[in-house]
Amino acid sequence: DSGVTQTPKHLITATGQRVTLRCSPRSGDLSVYWYQQSLDQGLQFLIQYYNGEERAKGNILERFSAQQFPDLHSELNLSSLELGDSALYFCASSVGSEDNSPLHFGNGTRLTVT
Amino acid sequence: EDQVTQSPEALRLQEGESSSLNCSYTVSGLRGLFWYRQDPGKGPEFLFTLYSAGEEKEKERLKATLTKKESFLHITAPKPEDSATYLCAVPQYGQNFVFGPGTRLSVLP
Repeated sequence: DSGVTQTPKHLITATGQRVTLRCSPRSGDLSVYWYQQSLDQGLQFLIQYYNGEERAKGNILERFSAQQFPDLHSELNLSSLELGDSALYFCASSVGSEDNSPLHFGNGTRLTVT
Repeated sequence: EDQVTQSPEALRLQEGESSSLNCSYTVSGLRGLFWYRQDPGKGPEFLFTLYSAGEEKEKERLKATLTKKESFLHITAPKPEDSATYLCAVPQYGQNFVFGPGTRLSVLP
């Protein structure tokens, strides 16, 4: 058990809808990262927050947004969903803000857009 | 552009048959090479970090090594429970980690 909690485990929704994915980091970790994993793209970095502030941004679509709250949990919002957004979405956390700290991943949210 | 490749894409071994997985990278100024294990339906699990050429790390039947251009994950006398996808990753400025596509390892009893 990595200590990172993600909810929900599964999400099925229709195109055009909006969903929110939630992540609670390991106790003591200040950084939260979001990754997308699909069969043809592998693990793709979306965004990182450190202690409530955005620290790094990857190829995150404008339809996607995230935030980290004062209690350090994070939410990833996906809107105007398209079929191609179907994927596993992972949250990870680490102690520091440096981008060479080992990441500890949750078990992901599997999003299916129909 | 920094890149991480892994080979083979998939590997099937008999229990006890040792082998190696490869991770090749092209990054400017390596600041660590990370290995993860991912089981189906689960998130990647951190295994090792290697920071400099010549460094080795071991954990049970796994040993990771690093050269200036690549890393190897050696699996000695694997067991079926070692079956998983093994991912390597390197940190990249401004993009966090770049992950390789992974090697799917199957160990048959």
